[in-house]
Amino acid sequence: QKEVEQNSGPLSVPEGAIASLNCTYSDRGSQSFFWYRQYSGKSPELIMSIYSNGDKEDGRFTAQLNKASQYVSLLIRDSQPSDSATYLCAGHTGGFKTIFGAGTRLFVKA
Amino acid sequence: DAGITQSPRYKITETGRQVTLMCHQTWSHSYMFWYRQDLGHGLRLIYYSAAADITDKGEVPDGYVVSRSKTENFPLTLESATRSQTSVYFCASSEVGVAGPYEQYFGPGTRLTVT
Repeated sequence: QKEVEQNSGPLSVPEGAIASLNCTYSDRGSQSFFWYRQYSGKSPELIMSIYSNGDKEDGRFTAQLNKASQYVSLLIRDSQPSDSATYLCAGHTGGFKTIFGAGTRLFVKA
Repeated sequence: DAGITQSPRYKITETGRQVTLMCHQTWSHSYMFWYRQDLGHGLRLIYYSAAADITDKGEVPDGYVVSRSKTENFPLTLESATRSQTSVYFCASSEVGVAGPYEQYFGPGTRLTVT
């Protein structure tokens, strides 16, 4: 069973701090990884995609991929209350199937 | 540009009834997906389609039927609804090579309650 594991949280950080969200995956063949943000009662929204080892930065967001350790992370700098949401990690191994983690709830305290 | 839409947004139905959830996308994406999202389970794939007239089962297909006669539409039918099918249903689409491989874009969801 191919899996993507996330700590369900909640992760609570003060406003302005760095939020670090982590994800591990079981399938070494996974090639593409995605982070989605989901506000309560809303649909998942793509934030970042990462395909190769290392860091990828987009504004306040940095995705990190370590294929040797089968580990993906998302850093949110200068966290804002509006970042409070559930963050879904997803991995793609080829073909049609993307495996989603159950998500980590993030609370940013003002 | 509406992107991907779902209807209805909310539906209450009775056990044993047939119900169809609609999904429409305006991007001409090849791939379309149906997921259900339940507390404790995350997103689970029900069915997917790689193109018109090509569909296949996902992780939890039992009790569901799909069709895709046109690229832009991907309806999901619950043939005889059960209480265990009470969930939030998301439709998604993706295109290989446009925004990157397999980045999926989600519709707003349909909240279905089976009584």
